[in-house]
Parts: sequence; structure tokens; C-alpha cells
Amino acid sequence: DVKVTQSSRYLVKRTGEKVFLECVQDMDHENMFWYRQDPGLGLRLIYFSYDVKMKEKGDIPEGYSVSREKKERFSLILESASTNQTSMYLCASSPPVGRLRSEQYFGPGTRLTVT
Amino acid sequence: AQKVTQAQTEISVVEKEDVTLDCVYETRDTTYYLFWYKQPPSGELVFLIRRNSFDEQNEISGRYSWNFQKSTSSFNFTITASQVVDSAVYFCALSRDTGRRALTFGSGTRLQVQP
Repeated sequence: DVKVTQSSRYLVKRTGEKVFLECVQDMDHENMFWYRQDPGLGLRLIYFSYDVKMKEKGDIPEGYSVSREKKERFSLILESASTNQTSMYLCASSPPVGRLRSEQYFGPGTRLTVT
Repeated sequence: AQKVTQAQTEISVVEKEDVTLDCVYETRDTTYYLFWYKQPPSGELVFLIRRNSFDEQNEISGRYSWNFQKSTSSFNFTITASQVVDSAVYFCALSRDTGRRALTFGSGTRLQVQP
């Protein structure tokens, strides 16, 4: 079974802090994704990565950056946390295009509160 | 641009009732994938089904069934004889058949099954 883990389930940070959210997958997937989930808005893509050190902006990248130094790990960074970044953050991974099973597998989520 | 609409924000049914969750999508692509995910109270998204745009056959898996109609751009999900354990938020999602296949999600439908 694919396992996607996230470093924290709940996190409370102060405005202006630098925040790191970590995601690790154990299935050697090329693609990894960071989404943010807000009530009434569903999940929105922040960033994704299709290979080590490769990344692309999603729909709402402002205020975020990412890092992928190893294939299994994809980090989301909030350079200077703000209250409007209070949200649930979900990480996902998937095999590359062309594989038979290409659905995304999600981690349990990190509920971040910025005060 | 891609868009997924789940017009039903919340549905409440009594156990053993049948319930249909609606999903309407927009895309300019001729080939694409459609997905349904379940998010139970624990928070982790669980993959339910993937459908290729070329495959319009309806699918049944136990109490779950999916009706894909390309003519109306809909991919509806029916739960037969609902159970309390079906209570969750259900997301419909769309991805391209090319590129990195990031998912575009609907806003979700919260299903409450009362005993």
C-alpha cells in the first residue's frame, strides 16, 4: 500500500514565522503535490513537483515555496506565515504519466493555525 | 481552464436510503480523467474511482455506482442503502491526460447519514 505521511497533524504558528510542512512517500512516485483545503473551496493546488529539484506553480502559489531534494520528500514552506494561511494542507503523490494506476494518494493532512 | 462543480453542499439522509451526489465538469480537453474521493472525519482522502473520458460505461462496486455521461459533462455517484459509515465529504475531481495531471477538485459534498 502507498503510504504518504505528513510531519504534523496539527500546527500552531505565529504571524511572521517561517513554517515548514514535510511530506514523505514510500512508493517511489515521481509526482508530488501540495494542496490547501478550505471550506466551500475544495482543494486547491499550491505547487507540484515531477522530479527531484523540479517544481511548478499551481493555482495559488503566492506566499509559498517548495523544496524537493530527495525523491521521497516534498516540503512546503511558508516564508512568513500570515493568518490567511490558516488552513488544512494536504500532500499527495502519484506515479508518472502513462502508468496504469495514476491516481493520487493523499497524506492525512496538516491543520495549520496562524495566530 | 478546467472546472468541477458540486452543487450540493450538504446532504442528509436516513440510513438505508439511496443517495446521489452530483458532479458536473468543464474541460476543453478531449481526453481526461475523472475521480471521486472520500474524506472521512479523520481527514485523509480515500480514492474511490477513476474514469477515463473514453470509457462511458457505468461502474458498480458493491453499494457504490457511478454514472458517467459525456453528453452532459456529468459524473454522478450513487450510494445504495446508505450506512452511517458513509458519512464523509465526497470530492469529485478532474485531471488532464497530459502533463503533470494535477487534480482540479470540486468544492465537495458533505453527506450525513443518520441512524
